[in-house]
Amino acid sequence: GAVVSQHPSWVICKSGTSVKIECRSLDFQATTMFWYRQFPKQSLMLMATSNEGSKATYEQGVEKDKFLINHASLTLSTLTVTSAHPEDSSFYICSALGNPEAFFGQGTRLTVV
Amino acid sequence: GQSLEQPSEVTAVEGAIVQINCTYQTSGFYGLSWYQQHDGGAPTFLSYNGLDGLEETGRFSSFLSRSDSYGYLLLQELQMKDSASYFCAVSYNQGGKLIFGQGTELSVKP
Repeated sequence: GAVVSQHPSWVICKSGTSVKIECRSLDFQATTMFWYRQFPKQSLMLMATSNEGSKATYEQGVEKDKFLINHASLTLSTLTVTSAHPEDSSFYICSALGNPEAFFGQGTRLTVV
Repeated sequence: GQSLEQPSEVTAVEGAIVQINCTYQTSGFYGLSWYQQHDGGAPTFLSYNGLDGLEETGRFSSFLSRSDSYGYLLLQELQMKDSASYFCAVSYNQGGKLIFGQGTELSVKP
């Protein structure tokens, strides 16, 4: 199947700093990618749809100025958590395709201290 | 609105059969998928139903009834390694976003 690589797998940052998470499609081109957030023992909550060459589409309640998404190429989408706070600590995961199988990156465990 | 309901946890013994139900209320519907997620890992695809009926993939099967807005995942010959969280997910179009249920934590006991 298709491979989606996400980096870093974990990161610890100080409150107020920004963190960038990368999601790469290794063996296919992805015009669309999806970003999810997952709190412990909870579901995957869709944050936004990342569209290559255009603006991301954010789900209701997700602050687009806080969670910056860039999809500058057909193989790379990035999520930047700006001015991170402890409540942003979570598991962030990207996915691509979904026809019908969605392929997920390994996820990024973000801890804000 | 949109909601997917599934049991929060299920316990079964090795070798048994377990069924995880999923009911959904969504503003649109294209298909129902099932994913497995082990602690700290990424979800992995198990099965998909776009049409009514049963899909079988090895030990896992999935069923869909669009008229009832209902589906289930059937796991047979349970193994310890099947202990994980299982999510149903609705898609609204081909290749589009997935909306996930709350997940069912399956514990397989010896």
